[in-house]
Amino acid sequence: GAGVSQSPSNKVTEKGKDVELRCDPISGHTALYWYRQSLGQGLEFLIYFQGNSAPDKSGLPSDRFSAERTGGSVSTLTIQRTQQEDSAVYLCASIKDRAGNGYTFGSGTRLTVV
Amino acid sequence: QQQVKQSPQSLIVQKGGIPIINCAYENTAFDYFPWYQQFPGKGPALLIAIRPDVSEKKEGRFTISFNKSAKQFSLHIMDSQPGDSATYFCAASILGNNLFFGTGTRLTVIP
Repeated sequence: GAGVSQSPSNKVTEKGKDVELRCDPISGHTALYWYRQSLGQGLEFLIYFQGNSAPDKSGLPSDRFSAERTGGSVSTLTIQRTQQEDSAVYLCASIKDRAGNGYTFGSGTRLTVV
Repeated sequence: QQQVKQSPQSLIVQKGGIPIINCAYENTAFDYFPWYQQFPGKGPALLIAIRPDVSEKKEGRFTISFNKSAKQFSLHIMDSQPGDSATYFCAASILGNNLFFGTGTRLTVIP
């Protein structure tokens, strides 16, 4: 597609439930990032995928967070047993390749855990 | 640990004013410094970026000033307009690697 598409745009879930957030990157972009944006905290790196290489999971805050990227395209971020502190906007970005300039971000998924 | 420190947290200027947003970093290996602009409900969008081999870069009304020795860089918006009201993020990386973002500056330009 023309841009990075994320779904859902908003998600309200009860504490303890699992959620899945989806990202469709720009076609042909080999690199994909997930960031978390919390109020007053800027953008926090979560995980990075590059082609068929093993993902860089160094930013995942706990083992409740996981992500996968199927077929080198669509990515799903899963949060298990959600907690209230998981409430944030989850942003996905893609880039043509790692040497490129500038990420293209999606509009994000606003997650609210009640 | 915040890799990139950004200030101020918020900024209000009159139309036509020149808001300045400042960022500082510690990692001298960083060699790519972009600024992103984010409107409510949207993801951040790349605005302008600079490499450390130049001290200034200008694109339209937006200028980055870069001070390598001080490990600081700043964004200046000339002749600011109400449509520039947004949140601005600085970032830094070793080109090709993960971006580290500042905490953001909410800019309001009053008509």
